[in-house]
Amino acid sequence: AQSVAQPEDQVNVAEGNPLTVKCTYSVSGNPYLFWYVQYPNRGLQFLLKYITGDNLVKGSYGFEAEFNKSQTSFHLKKPSALVSDSALYFCAVRDGGNTPLVFGKGTRLSVIA
Amino acid sequence: DGGITQSPKYLFRKEGQNVTLSCEQNLNHDAMYWYRQDPGQGLRLIYYSQIVNDFQKGDIAEGYSVSREKKESFPLTVTSAQKNPTAFYLCASSSPYTGGNTGELFFGEGSRLTVL
Repeated sequence: AQSVAQPEDQVNVAEGNPLTVKCTYSVSGNPYLFWYVQYPNRGLQFLLKYITGDNLVKGSYGFEAEFNKSQTSFHLKKPSALVSDSALYFCAVRDGGNTPLVFGKGTRLSVIA
Repeated sequence: DGGITQSPKYLFRKEGQNVTLSCEQNLNHDAMYWYRQDPGQGLRLIYYSQIVNDFQKGDIAEGYSVSREKKESFPLTVTSAQKNPTAFYLCASSSPYTGGNTGELFFGEGSRLTVL
């Protein structure tokens, strides 16, 4: 069975500082990994995905994520945080088969001015 | 514009009543999904459908029902058998997981159901 862990419920960072939101996964076979962002009372918006290829994936709004197969991790990063980045972030995974995405519990990011 | 439309945005219901949440997409996606979101629990899969007239239970299907009579539509009924229905419900769609497609989900804006 597939699973995702987001070990931090909340991450606080000062504006202008780099941010990292952590994600580890478990899946049989090759993982398809995704990051989504959610603003209050809204649906989820796609940020980026890793399917294959370069371990560093670049996405929307300056976010990037690093795939690490040996550590089964897919951490979300941004070099310089903005107050507007404050939101709920979800990591998701599925295997290469015909299965739906499995989501983590989410990490609330708070960027303080 | 292409996208997913959920309605209503907010819904109140009395205990013992069934309620149906609408989800329509014009992305020409074959697959559609319903997730439930509760604070601190992430998204949990209720039902999904990969093709018209077919659907599968997700992790928390008890107390819910769905239909998929048209490609564009995937309504969710929250029945009176659902013990704790107050939640935020999210509908999503994707292209099929074939031909190397990555199955990225596109989400609607959600429906918040409150049981009084």
